[in-house]
Amino acid sequence: EAQVTQNPRYLITVTGKKLTVTCSQNMNHEYMSWYRQDPGLGLRQIYYSMNVEVTDKGDVPEGYKVSRKEKRNFPLILESPSPNQTSLYFCASTPTGGANNEQFFGPGTRLTVL
Amino acid sequence: GENVEQHPSTLSVQEGDSAVIKCTYSDSASNYFPWYKQELGKGPQLIIDIRSNVGEKKDQRIAVTLNKTAKHFSLHITETQPEDSAVYFCAERAGYALNFGKGTSLLVTP
Repeated sequence: EAQVTQNPRYLITVTGKKLTVTCSQNMNHEYMSWYRQDPGLGLRQIYYSMNVEVTDKGDVPEGYKVSRKEKRNFPLILESPSPNQTSLYFCASTPTGGANNEQFFGPGTRLTVL
Repeated sequence: GENVEQHPSTLSVQEGDSAVIKCTYSDSASNYFPWYKQELGKGPQLIIDIRSNVGEKKDQRIAVTLNKTAKHFSLHITETQPEDSAVYFCAERAGYALNFGKGTSLLVTP
């Protein structure tokens, strides 16, 4: 089944404890991105990747890192999480060419930072 | 980015009625306008999209219209059903990314 998977789905952590949210897609998509969703603010892009080893900042990259060593994986890293990073996170992928095609979203990761 | 405004933020309609959600954008170079539906506990899913060389597109009960001169586009859902209840997001392509509106929570009451 073609899909985007994220792990974990739910995470409660404490301020300053490094964490990684994994994202994997099995559709051989070139473009992947991370979004955060907050009430009243909609979806805001954190980082995106056009292809392996090519990443760039989105609208709200502060406090996040990403890597794209393999085509299928695009982990989101929070080196020192803070309470304002409590949010619902979505990974998405699309075949090629950036944003002119359907983005396939993962099921989301709900993160709480205490 | 904050280039897409979406209205209304909440919308309640009776089953069978129509629902209309409107979005405006600012970048005249935008050329792709998708609409996503997000059901509770799930990720957004594309329901319809339109490109700048088309003024209207229809898929069964949903349709999208685009007015490039006025820089606005709208989602129309006819004969609404309870399963249409969800959050809907408009978006517009900006460079290599999509800018999303803040979402409309649609409630269809039986």
